[in-house]
Amino acid sequence: EADIYQTPRYLVIGTGKKITLECSQTMGHDKMYWYQQDPGMELHLIHYSYGVNSTEKGDLSSESTVSRIRTEHFPLTLESARPSHTSQYLCASSPQGRAKNIQYFGAGTRLSVL
Amino acid sequence: GESVGLHLPTLSVQEGDNSIINCAYSNSASDYFIWYKQESGKGPQFIIDIRSNMDKRQGQRVTVLLNKTVKHLSLQIAATQPGDSAVYFCAETSASGGSYIPTFGRGTSLIVHP
Repeated sequence: EADIYQTPRYLVIGTGKKITLECSQTMGHDKMYWYQQDPGMELHLIHYSYGVNSTEKGDLSSESTVSRIRTEHFPLTLESARPSHTSQYLCASSPQGRAKNIQYFGAGTRLSVL
Repeated sequence: GESVGLHLPTLSVQEGDNSIINCAYSNSASDYFIWYKQESGKGPQFIIDIRSNMDKRQGQRVTVLLNKTVKHLSLQIAATQPGDSAVYFCAETSASGGSYIPTFGRGTSLIVHP
C-alpha cells in the first residue's frame, strides 16, 4: 500500500470558487505529479515536480497552479472553478533509482463543479 | 444535441481462464513500459514493468510481452480471479532529459465472472 494521501476524496463546489486539492506522501519521493482522469479514461498530466521549488506544466492546461515548498506536500489550486473542471484528480509520486519509472498513486479527489 | 461517447474497451472472462490485455504504443524511443491496475474508487497500482531491451518478463500470475517491431505490448494474467476485475492501463516512459514522465494509454476494463 502506497503512503500517498489525497484530501478531500469528494468535493462539490459552485462555479467561480477557489479550491485547493491536497496531496502528501511519506515515502520521501522527489518527483510528484498531478493527473486529471475522466471515468475509465486515460490519465492526463497537469503538473509535475522534480523536487522542492520545482514545478512544471504538463500536457493538459487546466488553469491550475501547484507549489512544492516541502518534499512531502504538493497541493493543486484552481483559482476559479468551472464545470469543465469536473473530473477526478490523481496525485502520484515516484522515487529515484531503479524504480524511477514506477509511480505510486493516491486514491484521488473526485471534483464536481456546479 | 447529439453526444458521442468513447466506450472503454472491455474484456470479459470466466474465473480461472487466462486473460490477455493488449496495448499499442507510439514512441519507439520509450525505455520502459509499465502496466497499472485501477480498481473502482482507487488510484492506479503498479503491476509489472519491462525494459525496452527485453521482450518478456514474468511476475506472479502475470506476464508482459513486448513486440517492438509492431509497437505492441500485452499483459497476460493466468488463472484470472474475481479480484482481478479492474481497469488496466499501459504506460510508456522515456529517459529523455532524465524525466521518465510516463504517457498513459486508454484503459481496458477486465470483468471476471465467477
